[in-house]
Amino acid sequence: GENVEQHPSTLSVQEGDSAVIKCTYSDSASNYFPWYKQELGKGPQLIIDIRSNVGEKKDQRIAVTLNKTAKHFSLHITETQPEDSAVYFCAAKPPNSGYALNFGKGTSLLVTP
Amino acid sequence: GAGVSQSPSNKVTEKGKDVELRCDPISGHTALYWYRQSLGQGLEFLIYFQGNSAPDKSGLPSDRFSAERTGGSVSTLTIQRTQQEDSAVYLCASTTPPSGYTFGSGTRLTVV
Repeated sequence: GENVEQHPSTLSVQEGDSAVIKCTYSDSASNYFPWYKQELGKGPQLIIDIRSNVGEKKDQRIAVTLNKTAKHFSLHITETQPEDSAVYFCAAKPPNSGYALNFGKGTSLLVTP
Repeated sequence: GAGVSQSPSNKVTEKGKDVELRCDPISGHTALYWYRQSLGQGLEFLIYFQGNSAPDKSGLPSDRFSAERTGGSVSTLTIQRTQQEDSAVYLCASTTPPSGYTFGSGTRLTVV
């Protein structure tokens, strides 16, 4: 089955700096790659997603890039703010999975003022 | 409702007891998913429903776990004869594909 690896497991940046989280996936047929942000005591919240026919997508300070050949995708957060501190999860959807996602183990991001 | 609602938010149960976890999805969402999140771990897929049917039950950890969905809406995840390793946060999500999931806040289950 699909295996999603996520790095780093923890990331600390200063406010205003950029943060990058990387994920790799094993099933080359996977076609949907969402990113979720989870704050303490809450469920994960979708922040951005990308489909396999697109190489990059941007939404204000957040961007995701996809390299299908290398089977990896990355989340980029620019001009980080303390409220960006949370756990971020990447996921990949294999075909014929009914939209069941395979998640990475998460990255705990800390943005220090 | 406005979001996915899960109840209870917290549940402490004794080893060997049965528990029922409830999920109210967003109205009109056709698909519903259950995931388990253990401390410091990612999200482990358990089961999903399309309408009231569950095409994929492959993620259920053992035959002590079962789930149902009625009326294309509310879903219940039941764990029989709970064990300490069942302690985790159980998350429910709903969607109408190809839109992304909306998760509930989860049920934190502690088996003592």
